[in-house]
This record gives sequence, C-alpha cells and structure tokens, in this order.
Amino acid sequence: EAAVTQSPRNKVAVTGGKVTLSCNQTNNHNNMYWYRQDTGHGLRLIHYSYGAGSTEKGDIPDGYKASRPSQENFSLILELATPSQTSVYFCASAEGGANTEVFFGKGTRLTVV
Amino acid sequence: QQKVQQSPESLSVPEGGMASLNCTSSDRNFQYFWWYRQHSGEGPKALMSIFSDGDKKEGRFTAHLNKASLHVSLHIRDSQPSDSALYFCAVSEQGNSGTYQRFGTGTKLQVVP
Repeated sequence: EAAVTQSPRNKVAVTGGKVTLSCNQTNNHNNMYWYRQDTGHGLRLIHYSYGAGSTEKGDIPDGYKASRPSQENFSLILELATPSQTSVYFCASAEGGANTEVFFGKGTRLTVV
Repeated sequence: QQKVQQSPESLSVPEGGMASLNCTSSDRNFQYFWWYRQHSGEGPKALMSIFSDGDKKEGRFTAHLNKASLHVSLHIRDSQPSDSALYFCAVSEQGNSGTYQRFGTGTKLQVVP
C-alpha cells in the first residue's frame, strides 16, 4: 500500500513564526497534495504538485507556500503563522488521472498560539 | 461556498441497519466521484469511485450516481460498529497539468451496537 509520511505529527507555533510541514512518499507518485481539515469545512485543497519543481495553487492558498524539490518530498510553508491556520494538515499523493486513488498521510496537528 | 455539499452532517444507525449518505456537486466540470472514509486519528482512505450513471456495488457498499443532477449517494448495508467514521465525498477535476480531488464537508456516521 502507498506510504505517505508526514512530519512532525504535532506542532505548536507562535504567531508570526515560520512553520514548515514536511511530507515524503515512497511510491513514485507524480501528484502530491496538501489539504487542511476543519470541522464544518471538510478537507480543503491548499496546494498541489504534478512533479518535482512544480506547484499549483488550490482553493485556499493564501498564507501558504509549497515546495516540491524532488519526486518524493513536498513541503508546506507558513511564512508568518496566524491563529486562523490552526488546523489538521494532510499530505496526499496519487499516480495521476481522474480515476486514481489519493493516498493520505496520518496528518499534522498544528496549533498557532 | 463549498462546491461539494454532503448531507446529513451526522447520522446514527443501529448495527445491521442501512446507512445512506448524500453528496452533490455544484460544478459540472468533474470526472469521477469518490467516497473516502476516515477513522479517528487517521487519514482518509478511499472506498470506491463511480463515473457512470446508476449503481456500483463493492461488498456492503453501493454508490448511486445521477449525472444530470450531479448527485451521488452511498448506501452501507448491514452496518457494523467498525463503519463508524467520517465519510467524505470527493470529485476529481482537471487542473492546469493534471487532476486533483475536491472534497466535501463530510458526514459523521455512528453505528450503534
């Protein structure tokens, strides 16, 4: 089964600080995604990538940057963290194509104080 | 505004009963509907996808799609306590260079022994 590993699993950050969430997948998937999960909103797409060096904006990209330095790694960067970014963040990967399953990591719980 | 709406927000069914979940997309630019299930503390995992009008059955799970109304439902027969989870509907869409999935708000299912 596809393996997507996120780190850290839990993070407390201070307002205005920089936060980097990391994701690694070992299945050679082309596509990777960052979602955040909030009650009442479900999962919302922040950024995604179709391969090394590429990033695309999702539905809620404001306040976030993404980096895909290699096929395996995809990072989400909060340059100036705010309390509204307190959430659970999921990284995911997929082979690509409309009928391919998306595989999720276990999530990172981020609290911005 | 959420493009993928799910109902109900929560649902409680007795063990052995039938659970019915609904999902509607407001965007005709979709390719496939997907259903995912998320147990507490885990990332979502795919249950099944559907593209054609009508029913698709996988074990105790049956999805029904009506393309004209952009509505898909998921029916779980003989519900088990292990089915208690958060269920997401997702639609796969075409981005600039590939596909991504847009998720709904989720339905929390509780199966009562």
